[in-house]
Amino acid sequence: GESVGLHLPTLSVQEGDNSIINCAYSNSASDYFIWYKQESGKGPQFIIDIRSNMDKRQGQRVTVLLNKTVKHLSLQIAATQPGDSAVYFCAITSGAGSYQLTFGKGTKLSVIP
Amino acid sequence: GAGVSQSPSNKVTEKGKDVELRCDPISGHTALYWYRQSLGQGLEFLIYFQGNSAPDKSGLPSDRFSAERTGGSVSTLTIQRTQQEDSAVYLCASSGPAGASTDTQYFGPGTRLTVL
Repeated sequence: GESVGLHLPTLSVQEGDNSIINCAYSNSASDYFIWYKQESGKGPQFIIDIRSNMDKRQGQRVTVLLNKTVKHLSLQIAATQPGDSAVYFCAITSGAGSYQLTFGKGTKLSVIP
Repeated sequence: GAGVSQSPSNKVTEKGKDVELRCDPISGHTALYWYRQSLGQGLEFLIYFQGNSAPDKSGLPSDRFSAERTGGSVSTLTIQRTQQEDSAVYLCASSGPAGASTDTQYFGPGTRLTVL
């Protein structure tokens, strides 16, 4: 079966610095990748997504990079703010139009004021 | 517009009792998903509904778990004879209206279930 893993379970960054959260996956057929942010007591909130035919996508202060060769996904947050403190999950599909998302276990980002 | 809503927000029950969890998806969304999130863990897929098609129940952990979606809108997740290992946050998500696999899934706030 497929698996999704994260390189670091926790990440502490200084306010204003850039944050990078990584995710590794094993299913080469995965064609859709999403990053979610989950604050305490809330459901996951969509941040940004990327399809397998792209290697980079930018949003507001966030960038997702996809390296299909090594099956690696990363989320970069520019000028990290205290409000960015949360758990970040990567999620991938199984490919071939599958709706089912497989989530990583999450990285807890703590922003130091 | 309103997002995905779930009720109750918290549910405490005794081992062996049945529980029902409700999800109201975003209006017009054709797909509805249930996930389970155990403490400090990622989300585990449970079941998926798409329009009038037969649901994908491949993630349900046992036959004590079942779900229905009435009229293509509201969904109820039922857990019979609850066990302590069922304690988790149960999250509902919806997506659509295109019905594509790459439609963004929007999540509700979840129901925290505690089985004593």
